Amino acid sequence: DAGVIQSPRHEVTEMGQEVTLRCKPISGHDYLFWYRQTMMRGLELLIYFNNNVPIDDSGMPEDRFSAKMPNASFSTLKIQPSEPRDSAVYFCASSDQGHHNEQFFGPGTRLTVL
Amino acid sequence: AQSVAQPEDQVNVAEGNPLTVKCTYSVSGNPYLFWYVQYPNRGLQFLLKYITGDNLVKGSYGFEAEFNKSQTSFHLKKPSALVSDSALYFCAVRDGAGGSQGNLIFGKGTKLSVKP
Repeated sequence: DAGVIQSPRHEVTEMGQEVTLRCKPISGHDYLFWYRQTMMRGLELLIYFNNNVPIDDSGMPEDRFSAKMPNASFSTLKIQPSEPRDSAVYFCASSDQGHHNEQFFGPGTRLTVL
Repeated sequence: AQSVAQPEDQVNVAEGNPLTVKCTYSVSGNPYLFWYVQYPNRGLQFLLKYITGDNLVKGSYGFEAEFNKSQTSFHLKKPSALVSDSALYFCAVRDGAGGSQGNLIFGKGTKLSVKP
């Protein structure tokens, strides 16, 4: 398996633009997580899904952020409109209960909002 | 509620010396405990986990961790540090009786710096 795949790896955009981050989890995993990492706030859980259903979105900072998982092999995290304070590295991770929910992380998307 | 604490923001060690990165946890049931490592500009990588059984768990790159139930700790150790071990280390926990709550609670991370 190729592991968790994220795209794009880097994104530079201007304030006010819409940004969409994509994630393909490991095949067979039934949990998918979105994290944000910054120097100031460290690693933050934004939202996670189980069997494509959002379970906990309490970490989503505000209504500008939304996440979807239309099927077991794809998820998106959208920011609209983007702001400079959204600049961070966004990680996607997946897991399954068969491995005691050990999470496998993607390489991350480095987002810069100018 | 589940929680995990990494009391040190940074640990400095000389190459060849033993290293310890500390982690304590709080869960209501039996803990599942994990260590991850993050190298610069990379995602988190799994190092080792404790689920049940032997309290001493061995993982990747010569790392090991000891589960101590009475002290609710899961410290990461290595007998002889390498410069290449310099990275950010995260401890994580979940309640083994958590049912459908499949998420891990991560500590804030400890930066390990190994000097030649």
